[in-house]
Amino acid sequence: VQLVESGGGLVKPGGSLRLSCAASGFTFSDYYMTWIRQAPGKGLERVSYISSSGTYTYYSDSVKGRFTISRDNVKNSLYLQMNSLRPEDTAVYYCARVHASSYSFDYWGQGTLVTVST
Amino acid sequence: QSALTQPRSVSGSPGQSVTISCTGTSSDVGAYNYVSWFQQHPGKAPKLMIYDVTKRPSGVPDRFSGSKSGNTASLTISGLQDEDEADYYCCSYAGSYTGVFGTGTKVTVL
Repeated sequence: VQLVESGGGLVKPGGSLRLSCAASGFTFSDYYMTWIRQAPGKGLERVSYISSSGTYTYYSDSVKGRFTISRDNVKNSLYLQMNSLRPEDTAVYYCARVHASSYSFDYWGQGTLVTVST
Repeated sequence: QSALTQPRSVSGSPGQSVTISCTGTSSDVGAYNYVSWFQQHPGKAPKLMIYDVTKRPSGVPDRFSGSKSGNTASLTISGLQDEDEADYYCCSYAGSYTGVFGTGTKVTVL
């Protein structure tokens, strides 16, 4: 199992960024996927998840209305479109696979850093 | 949802045992047997160590064990080793496919 994030970088407040997560080594379309972030020196926060088919999505209150999660089961890829970015969105963003039979996250990517600053 | 409460730090000498607590409420830890624990070394991604309160994924040493009583879950590391020095986070299901992470605990091997 391998998850590789990309798309992070420096963006100004109010700007947009699209994160990608390329999955391999498992049947991507069988699993829920999630984005989890970690602000510098802080703890973990689950930002969003998406069901295996893409039908169901969830967003934390802190990003609802600004972020959109999506997936492409043909390309084995997960995405996070981030709009109206704020300085408090600065964090390492991890994509993770949701365990097949439990509420847990059994594989994580290496993370991609998003910095929102002037 | 408020973050689950963990001690900021715990420490022990090599070979000793340490236990990290994770205190939630009757709506999360106390309601479901879906508590997991993650280990994070500096600059690295978290790694799943325990799920469903007590289960260990393949490859995780059996010196890591989990338990739960009421609204508090615990992770015990027996026979502490240098490579166990890391940050540890608990996580619990809280219903409606939502969950909450703990505040994190730094484990120091003396």
